[in-house]
Amino acid sequence: LAKTTQPISMDSYEGQEVNITCSHNNIATNDYITWYQQFPSQGPRFIIQGYKTKVTNEVASLFIPADRKSSTLSLPRVSLSDTAVYYCLVGDRGSNYQLIWGAGTKLIIKP
Amino acid sequence: DTGVSQNPRHKITKRGQNVTFRCDPISEHNRLYWYRQTLGQGPEFLTYFQNEAQLEKSRLLSDRFSAERPKGSFSTLEIQRTEQGDSAMYLCASSLRTGSQETQYFGPGTRLLVL
Repeated sequence: LAKTTQPISMDSYEGQEVNITCSHNNIATNDYITWYQQFPSQGPRFIIQGYKTKVTNEVASLFIPADRKSSTLSLPRVSLSDTAVYYCLVGDRGSNYQLIWGAGTKLIIKP
Repeated sequence: DTGVSQNPRHKITKRGQNVTFRCDPISEHNRLYWYRQTLGQGPEFLTYFQNEAQLEKSRLLSDRFSAERPKGSFSTLEIQRTEQGDSAMYLCASSLRTGSQETQYFGPGTRLLVL
């Protein structure tokens, strides 16, 4: 099972673009990369998932280089409400029970 | 609201008591997961069901913990003889596996405090 490494915390300001990078050197061929967001006292919420290159949805973009050993979650023009913990997970997208959750990255957005 | 719901949202109990939590998944979802989360850590997998069958259970899970999902709908998680170390947020998630893909949707959690 691939483990991930991400920064413990990050700060940014309203209106900025925020990029959170996750390392996953042992990613397997069948593994997908998934990001979740969690606010205090709430369950995690799915943000985005990808396999390679770039994926974009209405809230974020996910950049994955060719070697897939890392990935970057990009949040455009953040607001105070984007303050949360962000988790990067790597694994077979059909076997969620095998996903290993790290401590995540605590993102703090300042006014 | 058609999301995952959990009850109660908060529970305070004394050491040695039994507690039971309930999770109501999104209605068409066939998989249901239980996780435990302590402060500053990510969720820790406890067990999961596909329909009414319990398919996986964490090896780290004490035998004081038991979960059921009768009829493949709601699920309950019971902790017997609670200990202070059981204090945590208990999260439930459900998903619909289609082909080789599934995405989990989490409930708000039940916060347990054992005194």
